[in-house]
Amino acid sequence: SAVISQKPSRDICQRGTSLTIQCQVDSQVTMMFWYRQQPGQSLTLIATANQGSEATYESGFVIDKFPISRPNLTFSTLTVSNMSPEDSSIYLCSVEGLAGGPETQYFGPGTRLLVL
Amino acid sequence: AQSVTQLGSHVSVSEGALVLLRCNYSSSVPPYLFWYVQYPNQGLQLLLKYTSAATLVKGINGFEAEFKKSETSFHLTKPSAHMSDAAEYFCAVSKTGFQKLVFGTGTRLLVSP
Repeated sequence: SAVISQKPSRDICQRGTSLTIQCQVDSQVTMMFWYRQQPGQSLTLIATANQGSEATYESGFVIDKFPISRPNLTFSTLTVSNMSPEDSSIYLCSVEGLAGGPETQYFGPGTRLLVL
Repeated sequence: AQSVTQLGSHVSVSEGALVLLRCNYSSSVPPYLFWYVQYPNQGLQLLLKYTSAATLVKGINGFEAEFKKSETSFHLTKPSAHMSDAAEYFCAVSKTGFQKLVFGTGTRLLVSP
Protein backbone atom coordinates (compact mmCIF):
# COMPACT_ATOMS: atom_id res chain seq x y z
CA SER A 1 0.00 0.00 0.00
CA ALA A 2 1.06 3.60 -0.41
CA VAL A 3 3.02 5.52 2.16
CA ILE A 4 1.55 8.81 3.34
CA SER A 5 3.83 11.09 5.30
CA GLN A 6 3.25 14.39 7.05
CA LYS A 7 5.70 17.02 8.22
CA PRO A 8 6.09 18.13 10.89
CA SER A 9 4.80 15.34 13.09
CA ARG A 10 4.25 17.81 15.91
CA ASP A 11 4.96 21.42 16.72
CA ILE A 12 4.49 23.99 19.43
CA CYS A 13 3.79 27.48 18.11
CA GLN A 14 3.15 30.94 19.46
CA ARG A 15 -0.17 32.64 18.87
CA GLY A 16 -0.24 34.93 15.87
CA THR A 17 2.21 32.85 13.87
CA SER A 18 1.55 30.48 10.96
CA LEU A 19 2.50 26.86 10.36
CA THR A 20 2.60 24.99 7.07
CA ILE A 21 1.96 21.26 7.16
CA GLN A 22 3.08 19.05 4.31
CA CYS A 23 1.47 15.84 3.08
CA GLN A 24 3.38 13.60 0.69
CA VAL A 25 2.19 10.37 -0.93
CA ASP A 26 4.53 7.99 -2.68
CA SER A 27 2.10 7.39 -5.55
CA GLN A 28 -0.33 9.54 -7.50
CA VAL A 29 -3.81 9.90 -6.03
CA THR A 30 -7.03 11.37 -7.26
CA MET A 31 -8.19 13.13 -4.14
CA MET A 32 -6.49 14.67 -1.13
CA PHE A 33 -8.34 15.93 1.92
CA TRP A 34 -7.43 17.80 5.11
CA TYR A 35 -9.14 17.04 8.41
CA ARG A 36 -8.92 18.54 11.87
CA GLN A 37 -9.25 16.57 15.09
CA GLN A 38 -9.64 18.82 18.09
CA PRO A 39 -8.64 17.44 21.50
CA GLY A 40 -10.91 14.58 22.50
CA GLN A 41 -13.07 15.11 19.43
CA SER A 42 -13.81 13.38 16.18
CA LEU A 43 -12.53 14.39 12.76
CA THR A 44 -13.95 17.27 10.76
CA LEU A 45 -13.17 17.92 7.12
CA ILE A 46 -11.50 21.27 6.50
CA ALA A 47 -11.24 21.13 2.73
CA THR A 48 -10.65 19.08 -0.37
CA ALA A 49 -7.31 19.88 -1.99
CA ASN A 50 -7.83 20.13 -5.74
CA GLN A 51 -4.87 19.63 -8.04
CA GLY A 52 -4.19 22.76 -10.05
CA SER A 53 -7.10 24.76 -8.69
CA GLU A 54 -8.38 26.33 -5.49
CA ALA A 55 -9.33 24.05 -2.61
CA THR A 56 -12.97 23.42 -1.77
CA TYR A 57 -13.67 24.45 1.82
CA GLU A 58 -16.30 23.11 4.17
CA SER A 59 -18.68 25.34 6.05
CA GLY A 60 -16.88 27.12 8.86
CA PHE A 61 -13.44 27.00 7.24
CA VAL A 62 -12.05 29.80 5.07
CA ILE A 63 -9.12 30.14 2.74
CA ASP A 64 -7.59 33.07 4.61
CA LYS A 65 -7.26 30.97 7.74
CA PHE A 66 -6.40 27.64 6.11
CA PRO A 67 -4.75 28.21 2.73
CA ILE A 68 -4.15 24.96 0.89
CA SER A 69 -1.98 24.13 -2.06
CA ARG A 70 -1.83 21.04 -4.24
CA PRO A 71 0.74 21.51 -6.99
CA ASN A 72 0.69 17.90 -8.20
CA LEU A 73 -0.92 14.49 -7.63
CA THR A 74 1.36 13.45 -4.76
CA PHE A 75 1.75 16.54 -2.57
CA SER A 76 -0.33 19.07 -0.66
CA THR A 77 0.19 21.67 2.03
CA LEU A 78 -2.12 23.12 4.65
CA THR A 79 -1.22 26.38 6.37
CA VAL A 80 -2.77 27.33 9.67
CA SER A 81 -2.58 31.12 9.73
CA ASN A 82 -2.58 33.63 12.56
CA MET A 83 -2.86 30.84 15.08
CA SER A 84 -4.69 30.98 18.38
CA PRO A 85 -4.86 28.36 21.15
CA GLU A 86 -8.18 27.19 19.66
CA ASP A 87 -6.21 25.91 16.67
CA SER A 88 -4.48 23.33 18.86
CA SER A 89 -5.49 20.09 17.17
CA ILE A 90 -4.29 17.14 15.18
CA TYR A 91 -4.32 17.88 11.46
CA LEU A 92 -4.55 14.88 9.18
CA CYS A 93 -4.37 14.53 5.46
CA SER A 94 -6.10 11.70 3.68
CA VAL A 95 -5.92 10.43 0.12
CA GLU A 96 -8.31 8.55 -2.11
CA GLY A 97 -7.85 6.90 -5.45
CA LEU A 98 -4.91 4.69 -4.69
CA ALA A 99 -4.52 1.66 -6.91
CA GLY A 100 -6.39 -1.21 -5.30
CA GLY A 101 -8.18 1.09 -2.94
CA PRO A 102 -10.76 3.19 -4.75
CA GLU A 103 -13.60 4.64 -2.73
CA THR A 104 -11.45 4.46 0.37
CA GLN A 105 -9.59 7.19 2.19
CA TYR A 106 -6.23 6.45 3.75
CA PHE A 107 -4.82 8.76 6.38
CA GLY A 108 -1.43 10.14 7.15
CA PRO A 109 0.01 9.96 10.66
CA GLY A 110 -1.16 13.44 11.56
CA THR A 111 0.48 16.64 12.75
CA ARG A 112 -0.02 17.47 16.40
CA LEU A 113 -0.15 21.22 16.88
CA LEU A 114 -0.11 23.05 20.19
CA VAL A 115 -0.57 26.80 20.14
CA LEU A 116 0.48 28.75 23.22
CA ALA B 1 -27.05 14.68 4.67
CA GLN B 2 -25.11 11.73 5.93
CA SER B 3 -24.42 11.23 9.62
CA VAL B 4 -23.32 8.47 11.97
CA THR B 5 -24.06 7.87 15.62
CA GLN B 6 -21.76 5.82 17.78
CA LEU B 7 -23.40 4.66 20.95
CA GLY B 8 -21.07 4.71 23.93
CA SER B 9 -18.05 6.95 24.12
CA HIS B 10 -16.28 4.24 26.13
CA VAL B 11 -16.62 0.45 26.01
CA SER B 12 -14.79 -1.76 28.48
CA VAL B 13 -14.22 -5.47 27.96
CA SER B 14 -12.03 -8.14 29.44
CA GLU B 15 -9.35 -9.79 27.39
CA GLY B 16 -10.91 -12.69 25.50
CA ALA B 17 -14.42 -11.25 25.63
CA LEU B 18 -16.58 -10.26 22.69
CA VAL B 19 -16.10 -6.75 21.36
CA LEU B 20 -19.20 -4.93 20.07
CA LEU B 21 -18.97 -1.32 18.98
CA ARG B 22 -22.20 0.22 17.71
CA CYS B 23 -22.68 2.49 14.73
CA ASN B 24 -25.94 3.69 13.22
CA TYR B 25 -26.02 5.76 10.09
CA SER B 26 -28.35 8.17 8.42
CA SER B 27 -28.18 8.52 4.68
CA SER B 28 -30.53 9.45 1.89
CA VAL B 29 -28.80 7.05 -0.47
CA PRO B 30 -27.11 3.67 0.00
CA PRO B 31 -23.97 4.73 1.80
CA TYR B 32 -20.38 3.70 1.92
CA LEU B 33 -19.48 2.85 5.52
CA PHE B 34 -16.10 2.55 7.18
CA TRP B 35 -14.50 1.69 10.48
CA TYR B 36 -11.17 3.23 11.36
CA VAL B 37 -8.98 2.68 14.40
CA GLN B 38 -6.70 5.24 16.00
CA TYR B 39 -4.00 4.05 18.36
CA PRO B 40 -2.52 6.58 20.79
CA ASN B 41 -0.48 9.26 19.06
CA GLN B 42 -1.07 7.76 15.63
CA GLY B 43 -3.16 8.51 12.58
CA LEU B 44 -6.21 6.57 11.44
CA GLN B 45 -5.95 3.04 10.12
CA LEU B 46 -8.69 1.50 8.00
CA LEU B 47 -10.21 -1.58 9.62
CA LEU B 48 -12.86 -2.40 7.04
CA LYS B 49 -15.32 -0.88 4.60
CA TYR B 50 -18.76 -1.55 3.12
CA THR B 51 -19.37 -0.38 -0.43
CA SER B 52 -22.59 -2.22 -1.38
CA ALA B 53 -21.07 -5.62 -1.96
CA ALA B 54 -21.33 -8.32 0.72
CA THR B 55 -23.21 -7.20 3.81
CA LEU B 56 -20.83 -9.01 6.16
CA VAL B 57 -17.44 -7.38 5.86
CA LYS B 58 -14.26 -8.82 7.28
CA GLY B 59 -11.41 -6.55 8.16
CA ILE B 60 -7.97 -6.62 9.64
CA ASN B 61 -7.04 -7.86 13.10
CA GLY B 62 -10.04 -10.21 13.31
CA PHE B 63 -12.69 -7.49 13.16
CA GLU B 64 -15.85 -7.72 11.11
CA ALA B 65 -18.98 -5.66 10.62
CA GLU B 66 -22.41 -6.36 9.23
CA PHE B 67 -24.40 -3.86 7.19
CA LYS B 68 -28.08 -4.04 8.16
CA LYS B 69 -30.18 -1.74 6.04
CA SER B 70 -33.38 -2.44 7.99
CA GLU B 71 -31.68 -1.29 11.19
CA THR B 72 -29.45 1.36 9.53
CA SER B 73 -26.59 -0.16 11.47
CA PHE B 74 -22.98 -1.13 10.85
CA HIS B 75 -21.79 -2.52 14.17
CA LEU B 76 -18.19 -3.66 14.61
CA THR B 77 -17.45 -6.95 16.32
CA LYS B 78 -14.53 -9.13 17.28
CA PRO B 79 -15.03 -12.51 18.95
CA SER B 80 -12.12 -12.24 21.38
CA ALA B 81 -10.53 -9.01 22.55
CA HIS B 82 -6.78 -8.61 22.84
CA MET B 83 -4.98 -6.04 24.94
CA SER B 84 -3.59 -4.61 21.72
CA ASP B 85 -7.14 -3.73 20.58
CA ALA B 86 -7.30 -0.87 23.08
CA ALA B 87 -7.73 2.22 20.93
CA GLU B 88 -10.24 4.76 19.63
CA TYR B 89 -12.61 3.46 16.97
CA PHE B 90 -14.40 5.71 14.48
CA CYS B 91 -17.31 4.87 12.24
CA ALA B 92 -17.60 7.00 9.10
CA VAL B 93 -19.98 7.37 6.17
CA SER B 94 -19.75 8.84 2.71
CA LYS B 95 -22.37 9.19 0.01
CA THR B 96 -20.19 7.76 -2.71
CA GLY B 97 -16.53 7.37 -3.43
CA PHE B 98 -14.31 10.41 -3.72
CA GLN B 99 -16.47 12.34 -1.29
CA LYS B 100 -15.85 13.62 2.19
CA LEU B 101 -16.14 11.28 5.14
CA VAL B 102 -18.49 12.15 7.97
CA PHE B 103 -17.23 10.67 11.21
CA GLY B 104 -18.96 9.57 14.35
CA THR B 105 -17.81 10.84 17.70
CA GLY B 106 -15.67 7.77 18.33
CA THR B 107 -15.68 4.97 20.88
CA ARG B 108 -12.72 4.31 23.13
CA LEU B 109 -12.22 0.60 23.68
CA LEU B 110 -10.63 -0.36 26.96
CA VAL B 111 -9.39 -3.92 27.41
CA SER B 112 -8.60 -5.22 30.87
CA PRO B 113 -6.55 -8.32 31.66
